[in-house]
Amino acid sequence: DTAVSQTPKYLVTQMGNDKSIKCEQNLGHDTMYWYKQDSKKFLKIMFSYNNKELIINETVPNRFSPKSPDKAHLNLHINSLELGDSAVYFCASSNLAGVTGELFFGEGSRLTVL
Amino acid sequence: AQSVTQLDSQVPVFEEAPVELRCNYSSSVSVYLFWYVQYPNQGLQLLLKYLSGSTLVKGINGFEAEFNKSQTSFHLRKPSVHISDTAEYFCAVTLANQAGTALIFGKGTTLSVSS
Repeated sequence: DTAVSQTPKYLVTQMGNDKSIKCEQNLGHDTMYWYKQDSKKFLKIMFSYNNKELIINETVPNRFSPKSPDKAHLNLHINSLELGDSAVYFCASSNLAGVTGELFFGEGSRLTVL
Repeated sequence: AQSVTQLDSQVPVFEEAPVELRCNYSSSVSVYLFWYVQYPNQGLQLLLKYLSGSTLVKGINGFEAEFNKSQTSFHLRKPSVHISDTAEYFCAVTLANQAGTALIFGKGTTLSVSS
């Protein structure tokens, strides 16, 4: 069983389109994250949700909107895609109550904007 | 705010040689430290972590790291590397005992092991 699963794994789309990436975790964790990894492999936190409540919202264009229907799911919707949005997006989860900071990552969703 | 600096962007080594990947952090408060590994086209996997206690931490795949508070370092070491250790390695930091803070990652070190 995959602990943190993301779909789709690959996404190729045109500028201006709207797309979504879905993430699900079956670890029973209460906190989920979205990270962006750019072409130089730098990982940057975008958002974090704890029990469906937004707790981290870094400086990200408002074209990016996370949605957490329940604590096992965190989706990322991107409007009006731009070339600079091309990256690998990683979902991760953790148990906030444990406060150990360890994150469990999905395999990533590679977004290519043409 | 805390930050992480990985001092080497690329480290090429021969198989069975020892390796050290360097990481320095900056924080005015206590932190937790981590090393993650990313194999090509995969997600990140935890290698080891330092929360408290013994400053020498052992992880998976024969890796270990030493927390040095005076030098604010958390260098990763392996006495003998294999071809399969070729990957991207990330050092990360988060605030200790602070629920809701994210992991902050360094820019990564590419370890290339050749025969």
